Amino acid sequence: AQTVTQSQPEMSVQEAETVTLSCTYDTSENNYYLFWYKQPPSRQMILVIRQEAYKQQNATENRFSVNFQKAAKSFSLKISDSQLGDTAMYFCAFMKLLLGGSEKLVFGKGTKLTVNP
Amino acid sequence: NAGVTQTPKFQVLKTGQSMTLQCAQDMNHNSMYWYRQDPGMGLRLIYYSASEGTTDKGEVPNGYNVSRLNKREFSLRLESAAPSQTSVYFCASRLDRTAGLFTGELFFGEGSRLTVL
Repeated sequence: AQTVTQSQPEMSVQEAETVTLSCTYDTSENNYYLFWYKQPPSRQMILVIRQEAYKQQNATENRFSVNFQKAAKSFSLKISDSQLGDTAMYFCAFMKLLLGGSEKLVFGKGTKLTVNP
Repeated sequence: NAGVTQTPKFQVLKTGQSMTLQCAQDMNHNSMYWYRQDPGMGLRLIYYSASEGTTDKGEVPNGYNVSRLNKREFSLRLESAAPSQTSVYFCASRLDRTAGLFTGELFFGEGSRLTVL
């Protein structure tokens, strides 16, 4: 079974600074997707960014970017110019692609990020 | 757009009582999921349904049953609630890989907080 590990239960960063959240995963598969989800205090799960394993180029969405190291099975999230609204739980997630279409999302335990003014 | 709608948003039960969490999506997705979220544990998959009429167990299915009533609706039932089932429950749905613009993204409801006394 696939596992996703987020080694930093909590992190904090000053507003406007840059912070990197770590994620590693364990799989023998070659065809999969990786995701970062954000969960603010409202409890809503919001997709931040995703990466397809077959793509070598790291995904970027505005201030959010990833460092995808396939051989090392590492998928870190970098948040640049941190804003107070980035305060949230961040979950790394893994999805193995299946022929039958029954893909499931496996989550890490999360990193609680606090952005300080 | 409503997206994924869960009801109720909050519920308090006594040990041994039963209840059903309702979930409906209006995005014409085939795949639907039920997750539970506990502090320090991330989101864990309870059950999922790849299509109408099919359901499969996830990581933590014990104590739960599900029904895929039709393409839109996927309900989660606790037959005899236990304090260990105190949690926040999330329903989610996903676009099929055959649908063209597959991204793997799961769309989540707002969550249902269940307390079992």
